[in-house]
Amino acid sequence: DQQVKQNSPSLSVQEGRISILNCDYTNSMFDYFLWYKKYPAEGPTFLISISSIKDKNEDGRFTVFLNKSAKHLSLHIVPSQPGDSAVYFCAASASGAGSYQLTFGKGTKLSVIP
Amino acid sequence: DTGVSQDPRHKITKRGQNVTFRCDPISEHNRLYWYRQTLGQGPEFLTYFQNEAQLEKSRLLSDRFSAERPKGSFSTLEIQRTEQGDSAMYLCASSLVVSLNYGYTFGSGTRLTVV
Repeated sequence: DQQVKQNSPSLSVQEGRISILNCDYTNSMFDYFLWYKKYPAEGPTFLISISSIKDKNEDGRFTVFLNKSAKHLSLHIVPSQPGDSAVYFCAASASGAGSYQLTFGKGTKLSVIP
Repeated sequence: DTGVSQDPRHKITKRGQNVTFRCDPISEHNRLYWYRQTLGQGPEFLTYFQNEAQLEKSRLLSDRFSAERPKGSFSTLEIQRTEQGDSAMYLCASSLVVSLNYGYTFGSGTRLTVV
């Protein structure tokens, strides 16, 4: 039973355009959501997070949107750069329930074409 | 501070052998986590420590797996009687207790291959 789902295994975007990565979750106890980026042979790198009390969080070129009623979040990258090519993981935590473990999706491989 | 350090980076072992991995977290981080990642999957939670106390364990952590953090600094993850299904990337992460706003910092992982 996958509690965090990333339904698109891959995404290709032209350099300079917007990349939109999507994530759905099923566990209503999740109250914190994070995005990680992973390059081959490296560990995941934290990108941005959002608390369930917000619906948007921005950091430079990265914006995360949260729609609690739909149990859906998305990561927008604008403008996309070739260096953004990596696997992106969505993760969630039920920290309010006392658990800080992260539940990850399977990832979306983003390719930014120069 | 060089981030989260994991040793070794790669380990090849024969089925049935025991293996031990080490993780050195960021020095001021009091929480330490172990995750496992297999091909095509996201990282899966195994266990975490706050200081030296092991606070949560996943059902994935069978009795062949044991983790320790004896002095609240580095941690070891031991797998006894390895099986081919144990082949995976083992990731360690650390964080401060306070907030998830800054996420967890992951190491580069130890890739285990059981032959």
